[in-house]
Amino acid sequence: DIQMTQSPSSLSASVGDRVTITCRASQSISNYLNWYRQKPGKAPNLLIYAASSLQSGVPSRFSGTGSGTDFTLTISSLQPEDFATYYCQQTYSSLSFGQGTKVEIK
Amino acid sequence: QLQLQESGSGLVKPSQTLSLTCAVSGGSISSGNHSWNWIRQPPGKGLEWIGYIHHTGSTYYNPSLKSRVTISVDTSKNQFSLKLSSVTAADAALYYCARIRSSRWGDLDVWGQGTTVTVSS
Repeated sequence: DIQMTQSPSSLSASVGDRVTITCRASQSISNYLNWYRQKPGKAPNLLIYAASSLQSGVPSRFSGTGSGTDFTLTISSLQPEDFATYYCQQTYSSLSFGQGTKVEIK
Repeated sequence: QLQLQESGSGLVKPSQTLSLTCAVSGGSISSGNHSWNWIRQPPGKGLEWIGYIHHTGSTYYNPSLKSRVTISVDTSKNQFSLKLSSVTAADAALYYCARIRSSRWGDLDVWGQGTTVTVSS
């Protein structure tokens, strides 16, 4: 099984901050990596697919990079609606999620 | 606009079988090369993928749940279903259905709102 580890597990930030979340795979997954945002009480929402492709309708402040085992999600300027939990997901072998990163208001 | 709506037994007794259905509206479950998924989220915890089915009927399950899971599709009703047998308290969760848009990337682009399942005698 491929294990996905996100860091940090939580972070505090302010509106306008640049935020970076990391996802590491236990083995190489090429670029079979997607990112989601889950607002409280809501279903997750696709942000990035194939490691770096922005999903249609998602603001350009979101970007993804990485390949192999190390990936990052960057929010260039944090907005109020971005205080949420973020998950990475690998689909290289079966399908699994990271444990999540909660972005809280500082 | 494609929409997914979960329904089913919200309360299940231990050792019994959980049954949920996901109704697809705004599009055909048989169109495109999509896969239809079940994902769950225990209270206060992360996401766990359960499995998916293609409209052709082919299935793929999480190995950790495979022995207890059955996912089926009814194209005439435009819906797919989940059965999870021998449930325990660990199966209590918010259950989501979702669509994989691309078979290559496995990206889940449309989700239902989720339905809560409680396991209790």
